[in-house]
Amino acid sequence: QSVMTQPPSVSGAPGQRVTVSCTGGSSNLGAGYDVHWYQQLPGSAPKLLIYGTNNRPSGVPDRFSGSKSGTSASLAITGLQAEDEADYYCQSYDSSLSGYVFGTGTGVTV
Amino acid sequence: EVQLVESGGGLVKPGGSLRLSCVASEFRFSSYSMNWVRQAPGKGLEWVSSISANSNYINYADSVKGRFTITRDNAQNSLHLQMNSLRAEDTAMYYCVRDRYYGNSGHDHWGQGTLVTVSS
Repeated sequence: QSVMTQPPSVSGAPGQRVTVSCTGGSSNLGAGYDVHWYQQLPGSAPKLLIYGTNNRPSGVPDRFSGSKSGTSASLAITGLQAEDEADYYCQSYDSSLSGYVFGTGTGVTV
Repeated sequence: EVQLVESGGGLVKPGGSLRLSCVASEFRFSSYSMNWVRQAPGKGLEWVSSISANSNYINYADSVKGRFTITRDNAQNSLHLQMNSLRAEDTAMYYCVRDRYYGNSGHDHWGQGTLVTVSS
C-alpha cells in the first residue's frame, strides 16, 4: 500500500476548476522532499505534468498548477477540458523507505 | 526526441526468471539516473528500482529486494532488470523511466512499457 494517499476520483464540468489532493507523511512530503505530478491518459504511459511542486515541463498548459504545504500537496486544473480526463499521480521520495513513492492515483472525469 | 524502448516481457511461471531490457536513444544516457516503475493491471504506479548514472547508487522497493537486480551498460545505452523468483503479484506493465535530473527531480521520460505476466 502507498504511503501517499489521493482521492480515488474527482469530477467537474468543462471549464470548471478541480483539485486533486495528495496526503503524505513526515518521511516524504513533511520532510521537505519535492512533489511531482503525472498524467496518465487511458492506454498510455504516464507523462510528467508538474515537477518540483509547481513547475511545468515545456508543452504543459498553464491550466495545470501545483502547491504544497506541510505533509500535503495539490494539483489544480482550471478551465477543465475533455482531454484532461485521465489518471493523475503524485510522487515524491520517502526517507524511511529509501526510495520513490507514488500516490494512490486519482481519476479525473470531465 | 528522447526514446526509451523496453523489451523482454512475457509469460513466465511462478518461481521463474525474466530479464527486461531498455534501449535509450537521443540523449546522453551515461549522464542520467534511470528507474523501473511498474503498474499492475488496473492498479496504480509502483516504483521498483533506481540506478545512478555511474551505477554507484542502486535502490530497490522492499517488494522486490533480493529477487530483482538492476544494471546498466552505458556503452550500449541500455538498462536491464533481472527478475528472479517471480510471483503472481509481479504481474504488471514495467516502464523504463529517466530521471529529469539527479535525485528526486521527477521522471521526465517514460517508455511504452513491457508486460510481464506471472502465471502457471
